Amino acid sequence: NAGVTQTPKFRVLKTGQSMTLLCAQDMNHEYMYWYRQDPGMGLRLIHYSVGEGTTAKGEVPDGYNVSRLKKQNFLLGLESAAPSQTSVYFCASSYSPYNEQFFGPGTRLTVL
Amino acid sequence: AQSVAQPEDQVNVAEGNPLTVKCTYSVSGNPYLFWYVQYPNRGLQFLLKYITGDNLVKGSYGFEAEFNKSQTSFHLKKPSALVSDSALYFCAVRDRSYGQNFVFGPGTRLSVLP
Repeated sequence: NAGVTQTPKFRVLKTGQSMTLLCAQDMNHEYMYWYRQDPGMGLRLIHYSVGEGTTAKGEVPDGYNVSRLKKQNFLLGLESAAPSQTSVYFCASSYSPYNEQFFGPGTRLTVL
Repeated sequence: AQSVAQPEDQVNVAEGNPLTVKCTYSVSGNPYLFWYVQYPNRGLQFLLKYITGDNLVKGSYGFEAEFNKSQTSFHLKKPSALVSDSALYFCAVRDRSYGQNFVFGPGTRLSVLP
């Protein structure tokens, strides 16, 4: 039982490049989330999904897109990376919006 | 609106001493409250939660937290700290009657000194 996995673990991009972060969970959770973690700011919600085929905006969605084509996968895309998107990105999943979230190990992204 | 504050960036405590990591929150209605821990280069791990019922909640690794509605607080406590408890701790809150998502505090770094 791997829990929540994220690919890749590290990435360096140049301004304007695009990339996709992949999150996978094997717990059959309906709810999935993408957060970014910046020093002193805690976790901020980028986008979330309440089930396969659904996505919704969180607190800081600008510059990001997401897709949930399969229940177990939640993809986060950056179409044109900016230095302000340098951060650590965490994916999480939960059984319901009232239950604890299970987090992946994170992706450290640097945009030059 | 929902918000959560962790008034201390850093807490230092000697091994064997009791520890407290503070959390205060603001919600319109009644809250769901969670504590998570993050070890270096790892994702967050769930510690404990308050949903309803007894105000004293016991969680993983000997941690507990007390829900205080009048003071809108949910402080994390442990009777005897271990060096291995050194980590970043996050409080999270969600209003039962509003919105879908939890709001996380900025985190408190706990250092347990041997």
